[in-house]
Amino acid sequence: KAGVTQTPRYLIKTRGQQVTLSCSPISGHRSVSWYQQTPGQGLQFLFEYFSETQRNKGNFPGRFSGRQFSNSRSEMNVSTLELGDSALYLCASSLEPGENYEQYFGPGTRLTVT
Amino acid sequence: ILNVEQSPQSLHVQEGDSTNFTCSFPSSNFYALHWYRWETAKSPEALFVMTLNGDEKKKGRISATLNTKEGYSYLYIKGSQPEDSATYLCAFPAYSGAGSYQLTFGKGTKLSVIP
Repeated sequence: KAGVTQTPRYLIKTRGQQVTLSCSPISGHRSVSWYQQTPGQGLQFLFEYFSETQRNKGNFPGRFSGRQFSNSRSEMNVSTLELGDSALYLCASSLEPGENYEQYFGPGTRLTVT
Repeated sequence: ILNVEQSPQSLHVQEGDSTNFTCSFPSSNFYALHWYRWETAKSPEALFVMTLNGDEKKKGRISATLNTKEGYSYLYIKGSQPEDSATYLCAFPAYSGAGSYQLTFGKGTKLSVIP
């Protein structure tokens, strides 16, 4: 079974631009979550999608948004990029949403904002 | 703000040593506790999802225990091998309403096993 895939793997953008990251979950997984990893903060929850609906959002500004498609694929968008948005963005999928379901992570997208 | 604390931050052990590290989480409103292993240049990989007080899980040389009343979990590695070198993360699902949970991660314990 193919794992979680994320594209692109690396991205360099300048301040003020916007970016869209893509995530394809494991086949049959219906829940997709996004996380931001920065050296000082560790893994921080961005949002969770299930059945094309955002179920949960972490403590991030409105510049961070996302969506989920009917095939469970998900995208996240960051508008008006700031230097502090430079981070590793990880996507994770699980069979269903819920506290007992382990998450399967993708390889991440490394975003650098200059 | 939910606090999930892991200690120590980093650990260096000799090959063959056994080791353990701690995850502390809020003891109220417990739902589950996740452990993940994150090797360099790879994706985080689930080790265990623990749900019951007193639960003990095992996978090969790695095991974990859970105390929900006092809010901690221990991860043990018996006879550490260089391939165990990784950052070990614990995560606590916090209920955020309408049947949904938000995984809050600790900052991890970085284990280096010296051959």
